[in-house]
Amino acid sequence: SAVISQKPSRDICQRGTSLTIQCQVDSQVTMMFWYRQQPGQSLTLIATANQGSEATYESGFVIDKFPISRPNLTFSTLTVSNMSPEDSSIYLCSAFTGTSGTSYNEQFFGPGTRLTVL
Amino acid sequence: AQKITQTQPGMFVQEKEAVTLDCTYDTSDPSYGLFWYKQPSSGEMIFLIYQGSYDQQNATEGRYSLNFQKARKSANLVISASQLGDSAMYFCAMREVGSYIPTFGRGTSLIVHP
Repeated sequence: SAVISQKPSRDICQRGTSLTIQCQVDSQVTMMFWYRQQPGQSLTLIATANQGSEATYESGFVIDKFPISRPNLTFSTLTVSNMSPEDSSIYLCSAFTGTSGTSYNEQFFGPGTRLTVL
Repeated sequence: AQKITQTQPGMFVQEKEAVTLDCTYDTSDPSYGLFWYKQPSSGEMIFLIYQGSYDQQNATEGRYSLNFQKARKSANLVISASQLGDSAMYFCAMREVGSYIPTFGRGTSLIVHP
């Protein structure tokens, strides 16, 4: 299993500023992901954080807006840049520890970062 | 096309009663896994239960059980003896073999009344 922590747990930010969210896993993991959950919505995958290389972004998300780093196998950051009220969401870090696609005990989530942009 | 469908945006149940949360899925892959997560108001995603497509028996974890009907492509979550602490959003998700990324449904909000 893996225990994931995120910092900050919540923040209130002004329009036009940027926020960096940190994700720390207590063990080395195969893959790390960043999700966004807008109010009342399901989870939307932003990107897969790749260790030592550029993240792989999903359709609708770009590096300039959501730069991601993953310097090692246990840590990743997501920056929400030039924020607007539409960026108000919960941002969730997730880690995958296995090698197959179906084992239940391989995907874990952090507690989330609740972001409000004024 | 939507891969995971949760048709109930909100459900209400009396404390100590059982409740079923619906989930249907769409895949042509014979090998996949189905998951249910609970998300309380705090925002964290809590893994509840897993069902593999080749599992012969329905999964159970304490008060949670999964009513898996493969031919109908449904994977309903049954919560027995509901508790006030069960009030939360519940998400159904599917991960196809070879993919590291699950697809989530839109969620069902469950409210347990005393």
